[in-house]
Formats: sequence, structure tokens, C-alpha cells
Amino acid sequence: NAGVTQTPKFRVLKTGQSMTLLCAQDMNHEYMYWYRQDPGMGLRLIHYSVGEGTTAKGEVPDGYNVSRLKKQNFLLGLESAAPSQTSVYFCASTLGYEQYFGPGTRLTVT
Amino acid sequence: RKEVEQDPGPFNVPEGATVAFNCTYSNSASQSFFWYRQDCRKEPKLLMSVYSSGNEDGRFTAQLNRASQYISLLIRDSKLSDSATYLCVLIGFQKLVFGTGTRLLVSP
Repeated sequence: NAGVTQTPKFRVLKTGQSMTLLCAQDMNHEYMYWYRQDPGMGLRLIHYSVGEGTTAKGEVPDGYNVSRLKKQNFLLGLESAAPSQTSVYFCASTLGYEQYFGPGTRLTVT
Repeated sequence: RKEVEQDPGPFNVPEGATVAFNCTYSNSASQSFFWYRQDCRKEPKLLMSVYSSGNEDGRFTAQLNRASQYISLLIRDSKLSDSATYLCVLIGFQKLVFGTGTRLLVSP
């Protein structure tokens, strides 16, 4: 039982490049979330999903897209990376109220 | 006004000390509250839920004051391993709302 995993752990992008962050969970959770965490800002919700095939916008969705084609996977895409998207990205899943987080992806956009 | 507000700290305490953090929230309709712990460069993990009547888990005590709209976390007999950032969290519609965290540093 791996819990929540994230791929990759680190990435450096140039402005304008695209990439996809993968989140996978093996706990059969319905709800999944993508957050970004910046110094002094705390965790901010980007997008979330309440089940396979569904997605919804969070607090800071601009510049990101998501897909939930399979229940266990939640993908976060950056179509054209900007330096403002330099951050640590956490994925989480939940069945009840406890959120289980992945280890994070450290993304730097130069 | 932010939905959840916390003193960022850091709170510097010696081993064995008792330390308390508060967290205020603005939405009086909020029903469920939690404390999460986040170690440096790691993911947040649930520490404990907060019940209206107050609850204890070993050295940790959580309290909720609905009238004044704050929750608190008390840590007794602090250990070096308690050094971390403590996040106040409440449940919103289909999602959790996180505070920015209070940093605790426990020194020998």
C-alpha cells in the first residue's frame, strides 16, 4: 500500500514549456486535490475532483488544467509555464475528512 | 479577512516546556476543525481533530471556542521531535481550508 505518490519529485522548466504532474493513490479514495504551497501563503487549492471523470476549480486555477480519467490518478498540467508557477505542488486524496498527501513536487520555472 | 489565520511564529521553547497556539476563523458556519503537522520540506499529516468539548491525544490537547471563533493546540512536555509547522484546518464545501501554519522550534 503506497498511499499517495507523485511524479516527478523535482523539475526545472523554462518559461513557456509544458509539463504534466502525475498523482496516483491506491486507497480507492473518491476525492483528490492539487495544492500549491508558497512561503507565507500556506496551501492553496488549485483544482480538485470528487470522482472519476469530474473536476472542479479551486482557489488558484489559472494556468493549470487537470484530468481524472481513472479513479486512482489525478493529473495536473501546465500548458505554458511561468516563473510565478515556481512552487511546491502537493496532491492529496480523501475518503472522509482526513487528507492523505503525496510527498510533493518541487517545480522551478526559469 | 482570511478564512483561517495563524501566528506564523516561530515559537522557540526549551525541551519540557508547555506551548500553545491559537488559530482564528472567520466563517461561523464552519463545523469541523483539525490540526495538521508539517515537517520541513515534507507533506502535511493529520495530527488530530478538534471537538467542541476539547480532546486530548497524549501530550496534545485541542480546544474549540465557537463563541470567539478560535481553536487552540496545547503541547505539554515538548520534545525535540515536536519541532515542525502546525497547520490549522477547517472544512469548507467539498474541501479543506488551511491556515498558513505556526512554526515551533524546540531546543535542548
